[in-house]
Amino acid sequence: DAGVTQSPTHLIKTRGQQVTLRCSPKSGHDTVSWYQQALGQGPQFIFQYYEEEERQRGNFPDRFSGHQFPNYSSELNVNALLLGDSALYLCASSSPGTHQETQYFGPGTRLLVL
Amino acid sequence: RKEVEQDPGPFNVPEGATVAFNCTYSNSASQSFFWYRQDCRKEPKLLMSVYSSGNEDGRFTAQLNRASQYISLLIRDSKLSDSATYLCVPYTGRRALTFGSGTRLQVQP
Repeated sequence: DAGVTQSPTHLIKTRGQQVTLRCSPKSGHDTVSWYQQALGQGPQFIFQYYEEEERQRGNFPDRFSGHQFPNYSSELNVNALLLGDSALYLCASSSPGTHQETQYFGPGTRLLVL
Repeated sequence: RKEVEQDPGPFNVPEGATVAFNCTYSNSASQSFFWYRQDCRKEPKLLMSVYSSGNEDGRFTAQLNRASQYISLLIRDSKLSDSATYLCVPYTGRRALTFGSGTRLQVQP
C-alpha cells in the first residue's frame, strides 16, 4: 500500500523564480493538504484540495497556488520566490470518510531559495 | 495567545527514564487531539489520537485536561529511538491542522 509520495525531494531556486511541487496521495485518499514548515517551527497550513477545488486556505499570499487532478494528485505552485519561502513543503492526504479526517504526511520537498 | 503552545525543550533524558510533555491549547471547541512525532529532517508521523480523556499505546500515554485546556504525553522507559520532536495538534473539525512548534526530546545512552 503506497503512502503519500512527493517530488522532487530537494530543490534549489533563486529569488523571483517559480516552482512546482508534486504530491500523490495515499491509496484510497481523495483529499490533499499542503503545509510549509520553516526550520524550528511546526507545519503551517497553506491550503486543502478536494474534488479538484480549493476548499480551505491558510494565511498565505496569492503567490501560492495549487491544483488537484482527477486522480487526486496535486501540485503546489509558488511564484516570485522570496528568500523566506525556503522551507520544507509537506503534503498530507486524508479521506472525509475516515475518523477525524486523519492526515498522513509525505516525506516533503525541501526548497532552498538563494 | 497562540492556538497551541508547547515547551520547545530540548528534554534531555537517560534511557529508561519517564518523561512528560505538556501542550496547551486556546480553542475550547477542540474535539480531539493528535500527537505526531517528527524525526530530524523527516515528515511528521501520527503517534497517537486522543478522542476522550486520554489514550494509551504501549509506553505512550496521553491525558487530556479539558478544564485547564492542556494535553500531556507521557513516555515510559525511554528508548534512544524515541529521540524526536513531538508535535501537538488540537482538532476542531476544521480541515486545517494547527500544529504547535513541537517539543524536542533527546534520549541519551
